[in-house]
Amino acid sequence: QLQLQESGPGLVKPSETLSLTCTVSGGSISSNNYFWGWIRQPPGKGLEWIGSINYSGRTSYNPSLKSRVTISVDTSKSQFSLKLRSVTAADTAVYLCARHLERNSGFYYYFDSWGQGTLVTVSS
Amino acid sequence: DIVMTQSPDSLAVSLGERATINCRSSQSVFYSPDKKNYLAWFQQKPGQPPKLLIYWASARESGVPDRFSGSGSGTDFTLTISSLQAEDVAVYFCQQYYSSLLTFGGGTKVEIK
Repeated sequence: QLQLQESGPGLVKPSETLSLTCTVSGGSISSNNYFWGWIRQPPGKGLEWIGSINYSGRTSYNPSLKSRVTISVDTSKSQFSLKLRSVTAADTAVYLCARHLERNSGFYYYFDSWGQGTLVTVSS
Repeated sequence: DIVMTQSPDSLAVSLGERATINCRSSQSVFYSPDKKNYLAWFQQKPGQPPKLLIYWASARESGVPDRFSGSGSGTDFTLTISSLQAEDVAVYFCQQYYSSLLTFGGGTKVEIK
């Protein structure tokens, strides 16, 4: 059974870079047509898709965050990572990783497997 | 962006009774070439990751009890729990995947009355 697990610091200072990693187990991160995404949920608010990547490094980002986000993949470790630069208190959220299929270039399907999520607080 | 609006924000239903959750998209998520609605429903219990319940607006994911059903087309969709069980207490949210910018509803919290 596919499992995804987020890891990283739970506290980040304002203006610094938030860095998280998602480790995939029970399945191959290199599976064709699958993308691996980051989603976040600020306290009391809805979910926001941040961006996704496939095993070859092809990425797609939410335009609202694109200028501050980098998602990368390390297939040798079955991991993909999120970096969010210049964070503010508005970036405080539970960050989740998840898997979805690509239907054609730049378009995707629903998320079918999710990690538990990890709370990241931005505070000095 | 396709904005997804769910209603109500929360509801309390007696055990065995029907729960109905609505999701409206700001533009149609029906794709004419394949005649499918690009909408999914998820369940998230406290301390657990989201779980896929429904995709293509009405297709039930394998292993999901048949008391969960999805309906609707175009811009208006409904998730129905036909007979609420204690284990169904959770937040439910919808997701559209019609657009390249994936968006979610704000969530509906279901509790026992």
